[in-house]
Amino acid sequence: QKEVEQNSGPLSVPEGAIASLNCTYSDRGSQSFFWYRQYSGKSPELIMFIYSNGDKEDGRFTAQLNKASQYVSLLIRDSQPSDSATYLCAVPWGRNMRFGAGTRLTVKP
Amino acid sequence: ETGVTQTPRHLVMGMTNKKSLKCEQHLGHNAMYWYKQSAKKPLELMFVYNFKEQTENNSVPSRFSPECPNSSHLFLHLHTLQPEDSALYLCASSPGVGAEAFFGQGTRLTVV
Repeated sequence: QKEVEQNSGPLSVPEGAIASLNCTYSDRGSQSFFWYRQYSGKSPELIMFIYSNGDKEDGRFTAQLNKASQYVSLLIRDSQPSDSATYLCAVPWGRNMRFGAGTRLTVKP
Repeated sequence: ETGVTQTPRHLVMGMTNKKSLKCEQHLGHNAMYWYKQSAKKPLELMFVYNFKEQTENNSVPSRFSPECPNSSHLFLHLHTLQPEDSALYLCASSPGVGAEAFFGQGTRLTVV
């Protein structure tokens, strides 16, 4: 099993819809989880982090964590074309950060 | 000043050349990283420095040589690279190892 797994997509949603991005991880001891957004040709940008079970909301973004199921998700409400990017899930692993392969999201006008 | 700055942004080099990538962070972080991102592959961690000491070398070929003179600066020295080394090389820093990482703009490297 890969340490951090994401559905590579592409995920396509219409403008205004909710985009749901999922990530599973293999280390039950993981305590913190990060979501990055990467536009084509650009570097990853941190958009959310979550430490506790449940939901964390920041504007149109909601991160959801379920440690029992080793599952973390990112919901984007009222999706905009500008949200079209690859979203990377990251989990600390020992002395470094393990990244998933990323899910490519396309929001169609 | 942006948080993490990388130079150059683009680099084309021959297989016999020697070049260096530079990274500087202005965030007061203690950990710095080099990642490689190839097309359609996950980010690959290359090196980790914590308080300017190398703490991880992720089985990287010796043609890549990192240098961290202080907690704010990180270099990646390149020599006798192969075409398959062409990729986006990303520098990142974090308050400590395993904490949230902030990335530089990356260096797009092409080996011809």
